[in-house]
Order: sequence, then structure tokens, then C-alpha cells
Amino acid sequence: EDQVTQSPEALRLQEGESSSLNCSYTVSGLRGLFWYRQDPGKGPEFLFTLYSAGEEKEKERLKATLTKKESFLHITAPKPEDSATYLCAGRTQGGSEKLVFGKGTKLTVNP
Amino acid sequence: DAEITQSPRHKITETGRQVTLACHQTWNHNNMFWYRQDLGHGLRLIHYSYGVQDTNKGEVSDGYSVSRSNTEDLPLTLESAASSQTSVYFCASSETTEQFFGPGTRLTVL
Repeated sequence: EDQVTQSPEALRLQEGESSSLNCSYTVSGLRGLFWYRQDPGKGPEFLFTLYSAGEEKEKERLKATLTKKESFLHITAPKPEDSATYLCAGRTQGGSEKLVFGKGTKLTVNP
Repeated sequence: DAEITQSPRHKITETGRQVTLACHQTWNHNNMFWYRQDLGHGLRLIHYSYGVQDTNKGEVSDGYSVSRSNTEDLPLTLESAASSQTSVYFCASSETTEQFFGPGTRLTVL
């Protein structure tokens, strides 16, 4: 069964304190690993897609990396506005466009 | 600007009633998806469509139906609402890989 597991469930950081969120997956024939940001009361907002081990993508203070078994979302010198829930999802093999989502990591950055 | 909208944003209904949630996108995307989001479960796929007249069941499709008569819309119908269907519902669309989500509908079934 395809599964995506995120850890930790919740993370509190002080402003400027860098850290990483983890997403481990057991998705057969993974055809893309996706990261989304979700603010309270809103829909998920697309951040990154990673396709192959060793790939990295960056956007402002965020950097996503991918290995054969997991992905990391590194947050460098976070600011309070980075507070949100970060979702990870894997796209399965075959012609399907379906995504399997993890439960998310709720990040709080205190000023 | 192209967008994806959902209506209503909030709905309260009673057990046994039929409810339809609307999803409309202006990107002209072929792929559309319905998810529900509950504490402790994350986003779970209900139904999806790869084009007009195409619909497919997701992992939690019991009690829900969809129809796709045009590219822009994928309405989700709860045939007979149950309290277990109280949730936040998100619609998404994609052309190739990335899915873009609507703002969500919070549904309460009393």
C-alpha cells in the first residue's frame, strides 16, 4: 500500500532557528514528490515537485531535497510568516495523476 | 486571472439530505479531484476525473458521486448526508503534474 509519513507532527521554532521537516514514502514507482503549504482556513498552495534522488529545489527560505526513501524540507532562518502546515505527497506509478498525502507538519515560528 | 472556486464556503445540513458542493476552474485543466480533510487523516481522495464524461472512485468514495459534463466543473454530491461526512472538502485541478487547490468548503452534517 502506498504511504507517505511526515514527521514531526508539530514543530515550534524561534525566528531564525533553522530546521528540517521529514517526509518518508513507500510509493511504488514514485513519479514525483510534492510539497505544499497550507494556511489555516485555506487550500494547499503548491511549493515544489521533485522527481529523482539527489534533486533539490529552493524558494526563498525553503529548500526541498529528495533521496530514494525520503524528502526533506529545510527551512533556513525562518520568519513568523513561515508558520503553516506543510504537506508532502507522492504520485504513484502508471498513468494515474493521483497523489497520496501525508498528514502534514504544523510549523510555528515564534518572533 | 485563472482560478479555482468552490461554493458554498460553509454549509450546515441535516442527516439524510442530499447536498451538492460546487467546484469551478477557469484554467481549462482536464484533471479535477475532490478530497476531504479531517484531523488525523490528512487529505484523502474521494473522486477524480481526467476529462468530460470521465469519473473515477478514490479511496473514500462511498456515499459520494460526481459527474463531469464540461471541462470547468466537477460537482460533488452527497446522496444522503451522514454525520461521518462532516469535514472540509477541497477541489483541485491539474493539467500535467502539480495540482492546484480551491479554498475549501466546510460541511457540517447534524
